[in-house]
Amino acid sequence: KQEVTQIPAALSVPEGENLVLNCSFTDSAIYNLQWFRQDPGKGLTSLLLIQSSQREQTSGRLNASLDKSSGRSTLYIAASQPGDSATYLCAPFMNRDDKIIFGKGTRLHILP
Amino acid sequence: GAGVSQSPSNKVTEKGKDVELRCDPISGHTALYWYRQSLGQGLEFLIYFQGNSAPDKSGLPSDRFSAERTGGSVSTLTIQRTQQEDSAVYLCASSLMGDTQYFGPGTRLTVL
Repeated sequence: KQEVTQIPAALSVPEGENLVLNCSFTDSAIYNLQWFRQDPGKGLTSLLLIQSSQREQTSGRLNASLDKSSGRSTLYIAASQPGDSATYLCAPFMNRDDKIIFGKGTRLHILP
Repeated sequence: GAGVSQSPSNKVTEKGKDVELRCDPISGHTALYWYRQSLGQGLEFLIYFQGNSAPDKSGLPSDRFSAERTGGSVSTLTIQRTQQEDSAVYLCASSLMGDTQYFGPGTRLTVL
């Protein structure tokens, strides 16, 4: 059974800092991995999707890396802004026709 | 529509009543997922529909929960004889097989 761990559970940093959110998963036989953000009281928004054959994906100030063999992914946020404050969720997808498994997330607070 | 929609956005019910939650996925998406998120908790997988395949019901917490997807499109999650512990935000997502999941805004269910 796939288990997903996200570290840290919560993080507060001053605006402008670069930061890294970590995700580890126990079963490395994933099809792809997605990073989502969730704002309080809202649904989830997909940020990046990395296929199992890829090592990283970039979107603006966000960069997600994947080390499938070691069961790890990181989300790098450059030049953090107060608008980045949200919960970030890591979600490996086991098979193309299977359900997605979510970590519990990292609650990020960017201090103005 | 442009995205996944869910109705109602909020539902308050009395313990013991039945409730129905609706999800309209993005047109053409073959996969549909239901999750719930209790206050301060991570996402809990409930059920997954993929095309014409039998749904994966492995996450349904009890036989009071059921879901159907009619015509490969709209889905209804039904909770019978609601209990206070059913209070949560119920989230629906849809995707093409193995691709990015798009989430609806959720239905906040409160059982008094």
